[in-house]
Amino acid sequence: ETGVTQTPRHLVMGMTNKKSLKCEQHLGHNAMYWYKQSAKKPLELMFVYSLEERVENNSVPSRFSPECPNSSHLFLHLHTLQPEDSALYLCASSQDPGAGGTQYFGPGTRLTVL
Amino acid sequence: KQEVTQIPAALSVPEGENLVLNCSFTDSAIYNLQWFRQDPGKGLTSLLLIQSSQREQTSGRLNASLDKSSGRSTLYIAASQPGDSATYLCAVRSGNQGGKLIFGQGTELSVKP
Repeated sequence: ETGVTQTPRHLVMGMTNKKSLKCEQHLGHNAMYWYKQSAKKPLELMFVYSLEERVENNSVPSRFSPECPNSSHLFLHLHTLQPEDSALYLCASSQDPGAGGTQYFGPGTRLTVL
Repeated sequence: KQEVTQIPAALSVPEGENLVLNCSFTDSAIYNLQWFRQDPGKGLTSLLLIQSSQREQTSGRLNASLDKSSGRSTLYIAASQPGDSATYLCAVRSGNQGGKLIFGQGTELSVKP
């Protein structure tokens, strides 16, 4: 399997649930990212990991908790979300978090919070 | 703070037309600019990446230009096809924000057969 994969593809959860999104990259990259894409708004960067260390946290509420156990896997743990957190959550990876190359995106997880 | 704007927000054209999508950015201190394609409910596919020192990049029927000094980029699609229907996103790698990728809101393109 190649590229960036995300599971699940769709998730519906209540505000009191706890769930996790998973991302896996098979590209040998060192950096991974979480983005949020809400309707009618630009993609927003949430977190950046480089070599399993978090290097960026864009003032994201603590109800979103990332985890990067190794350079190939990235999780986003969700708890006590709000309806406005409903969005498409995209994972991406790149060779490094610097300025040079392309980020490769996964297909996203469509999250609905009831 | 870097801001990226894409015009128009939506575009509908008949098959075969040549078309131009526009992207503007407020801070010319960029490392590169990238055009992506996003199909409904899907992730992003990179189409073209233009480094800050370059003026244009071409791939098949796609041509992207960059005028860094004026903060503008265009994506030219020649001989459009129904399969080109998608949302096209412009993103700049911002030099003054730690190399962060800043996205526009996208142009939703519909090519009618």
